[in-house]
Amino acid sequence: EVQLVESGGGLVQPGGSLRLSCAASGFTFSSYWMDWVRQAPGKGLVWVSRTNSDGSSTTYADSVKGRFTISRDNAKNTLYMQMNSLRAEDTAVYYCARSDRAGYNYFDCWGQGTLVTVSS
Amino acid sequence: SYELTQPLSVSVALGQTARITCGGNNIGTKNVHWYQQKPGQAPVLVIYRDNNRPSGIPEQFSGSNSGNTATLTISRAQAGDEADYYCQVWDSSTGVFGGGTKLTVL
Repeated sequence: EVQLVESGGGLVQPGGSLRLSCAASGFTFSSYWMDWVRQAPGKGLVWVSRTNSDGSSTTYADSVKGRFTISRDNAKNTLYMQMNSLRAEDTAVYYCARSDRAGYNYFDCWGQGTLVTVSS
Repeated sequence: SYELTQPLSVSVALGQTARITCGGNNIGTKNVHWYQQKPGQAPVLVIYRDNNRPSGIPEQFSGSNSGNTATLTISRAQAGDEADYYCQVWDSSTGVFGGGTKLTVL
């Protein structure tokens, strides 16, 4: 069974840092591009970041560029998001999502999400 | 940046057909994907590349895309179809979601 399990969320003060993890199982993780998508409480989905299959290429939404860093460890089947200089507006559930292999840029598998709360 | 516009809410009578639109500039030239999200749950892909259903998604879900509007159609709507629905495209190396539509089955 294909599975993505996020962890690492929690309460952090403005300006603080947090690292999210996403453990993948049930598929060949190293063959897939992976993304992070977030959802603020009561709001819609917002794409955050993407990494290619070997981690050599990454892209970010303007709202997090320079503050967040996506990475992966294919030996551990794990995706990461290092979040620095956190702001109140970063408060959201963060989902990791698998991108389709054919390159049509849809998300065919999602984790259950991990909640990040930025507040003093 | 590219924007996708969805109605905030759509209502449909039980057993009837619901249509949820997603507007964008020349969206007909892009691949449009649709997700269903129920309260407290992660999104689930229901349509990809305009009109393709993933395995396990019922035939009542279908999609179309032309001009400036993509449409998700839910036939024979059931109470279990009540959810938020999001359209999504890829533009200039970034993912773009619509604002989401809350479907209510009356």
